[in-house]
Amino acid sequence: DAGVIQSPRHEVTEMGQEVTLRCKPISGHDYLFWYRQTMMRGLELLIYFNNNVPIDDSGMPEDRFSAKMPNASFSTLKIQPSEPRDSAVYFCASSSGTSGLNEQFFGPGTRLTVL
Amino acid sequence: SQKIEQNSEALNIQEGKTATLTCNYTNYSPAYLQWYRQDPGRGPVFLLLIRENEKEKRKERLKVTFDTTLKQSLFHITASQPADSATYLCALDAGTGGFKTIFGAGTRLFVKA
Repeated sequence: DAGVIQSPRHEVTEMGQEVTLRCKPISGHDYLFWYRQTMMRGLELLIYFNNNVPIDDSGMPEDRFSAKMPNASFSTLKIQPSEPRDSAVYFCASSSGTSGLNEQFFGPGTRLTVL
Repeated sequence: SQKIEQNSEALNIQEGKTATLTCNYTNYSPAYLQWYRQDPGRGPVFLLLIRENEKEKRKERLKVTFDTTLKQSLFHITASQPADSATYLCALDAGTGGFKTIFGAGTRLFVKA
């Protein structure tokens, strides 16, 4: 398996623009997580899905952020409109609920810079 | 809400020595605690999980302890090697009954040859 795949790896955009981050989880995993990492706040959970259904979105900063999981092999995190304070590394992770470990497999991340 | 404290200062040790990293939490006792490794420019990688009813867990050169009275976990790397240099993150279940996980800020470890 190729692991969790994220695209793009780097994104530079201007304030006010829409940004869409994409994630393909590991095949067979039924949990998908979106995290944001910054030096100031560390690794923060934004939202997680189970079987494509959002379970906890309490970490989503505000209405500018939205996440979808239309099927088991694809998820998106959208920021509209983007702001400079959204600059961070965004990670997607997936996990199997049957392992009992909640071992999360992280993707390589998308480094977002909002100018 | 749960808070996780990891030593923000980097830990510098000599190759061959044992590295010990600390993770303290402030509120409820989590059902489990995990340790992850993160290299620069990469996502975290899972290392170990220890449950609340376990006091110690080992995996090769790694050892994790979990003291629910002290609200603390210690992460040991024995016979450390320069390749062990990375940031190590402690993570706890959020206590919401689901799979929500809270991560600490991490401790940077440098192992000198």
